[in-house]
Amino acid sequence: GIQVEQSPPDLILQEGANSTLRCNFSDSVNNLQWFHQNPWGQLINLFYIPSGTKQNGRLSATTVATERYSLLYISSSQTTDSGVYFCAVDSYNNNDMRFGAGTRLTVKP
Amino acid sequence: EAQVTQNPRYLITVTGKKLTVTCSQNMNHEYMSWYRQDPGLGLRQIYYSMNVEVTDKGDVPEGYKVSRKEKRNFPLILESPSPNQTSLYFCASSPVSSPAPYGYTFGSGTRLTVV
Repeated sequence: GIQVEQSPPDLILQEGANSTLRCNFSDSVNNLQWFHQNPWGQLINLFYIPSGTKQNGRLSATTVATERYSLLYISSSQTTDSGVYFCAVDSYNNNDMRFGAGTRLTVKP
Repeated sequence: EAQVTQNPRYLITVTGKKLTVTCSQNMNHEYMSWYRQDPGLGLRQIYYSMNVEVTDKGDVPEGYKVSRKEKRNFPLILESPSPNQTSLYFCASSPVSSPAPYGYTFGSGTRLTVV
């Protein structure tokens, strides 16, 4: 099945810093989403982005489908951005969102 | 509000006592699925359903049952829970399985402990 790799596994930032999280995937995808898992365990959908670029406030994401990677940008980070960020993909003719191992982000005040 | 609702949020039970975790979505989605999340193993699919009365196994179906009698509901049944089923469970739904133009919507999770 499709493989999903996220980097870095851990990231510690000072409040106000910017960061880039990366997701590499091994096959063509029909769907790619970025999620934020908050300290209470909830998975918050950030972006549905199988290709192209999207922005939502301080967060933006870019997926280059032909090169099989996606990037999540967090600007002016805040302590509430802390948590685990997951990339998940769904390949064509599949019925299973495959999750990466996640990037654990800690933003210090 | 469009959402996927799971209940209960937290559950502690004893080995062998049958339990059901409910999942309901109000978006008229055809596709629904269940995942479990374990430290070091990430999220893995248990079962999925492409429409009413159509269910299929995911990666880790052993010890679980599901049913899809109505489009909006997709309960997860543990007939005889064991401690290795202690996990964080998520239900998800999507308009269609492939392609999925709107992405998956996840419930808030159910934290299950089996003692």
